[in-house]
Amino acid sequence: NAGVTQTPKFQVLKTGQSMTLQCAQDMNHNSMYWYRQDPGMGLRLIYYSASEGTTDKGEVPNGYNVSRLNKREFSLRLESAAPSQTSVYFCASSYVAGGGADTQYFGPGTRLTVL
Amino acid sequence: AQSVAQPEDQVNVAEGNPLTVKCTYSVSGNPYLFWYVQYPNRGLQFLLKYITGDNLVKGSYGFEAEFNKSQTSFHLKKPSALVSDSALYFCAVRDTGGGNKLTFGTGTQLKVEL
Repeated sequence: NAGVTQTPKFQVLKTGQSMTLQCAQDMNHNSMYWYRQDPGMGLRLIYYSASEGTTDKGEVPNGYNVSRLNKREFSLRLESAAPSQTSVYFCASSYVAGGGADTQYFGPGTRLTVL
Repeated sequence: AQSVAQPEDQVNVAEGNPLTVKCTYSVSGNPYLFWYVQYPNRGLQFLLKYITGDNLVKGSYGFEAEFNKSQTSFHLKKPSALVSDSALYFCAVRDTGGGNKLTFGTGTQLKVEL
């Protein structure tokens, strides 16, 4: 099993450009998440998808959109990139059953720089 | 709202000595608590979690954590540190009251020296 995979690993954008970050998991998990990691701020939740066909905002959703394409894939889109979106982006997935303490498993991350 | 505090940005310890990385939390109900580790340029790896029951939780790589409800703490410990334990450690909390969103602390950089 590859676990959680993310593409691309690195990306440099100019202000105003758009891009989509891809995430896929092969663990048959029902929930998927997008986080951003900034120095001194830990991980902050951008969006999550509790199950196929649903998405919800997290702590910092502004400037982002998501698509839960199917059970395996969850993409994050930046429509008009801004320097404030320079960060490392992590995708995670988990199996949530009846409110149990599900463990989230993380991908390797995408390092994004917006000039 | 739930929150997590990791009061130390960095912890330095000599190899072979015991280590402690501190975490305190705030939730409205009962907590689910997690520790993750991040090595340079890698994603987060799960170490251990507390759900209920025994206050001492054992996890991967010889790590353990002690849940203390009265002090709202969940400190990560290891009896004998290794240089290879040097990494960034994150504590996270989830409220059992509903939802499946984790709130992470800001992280503690652990440096183990020879």
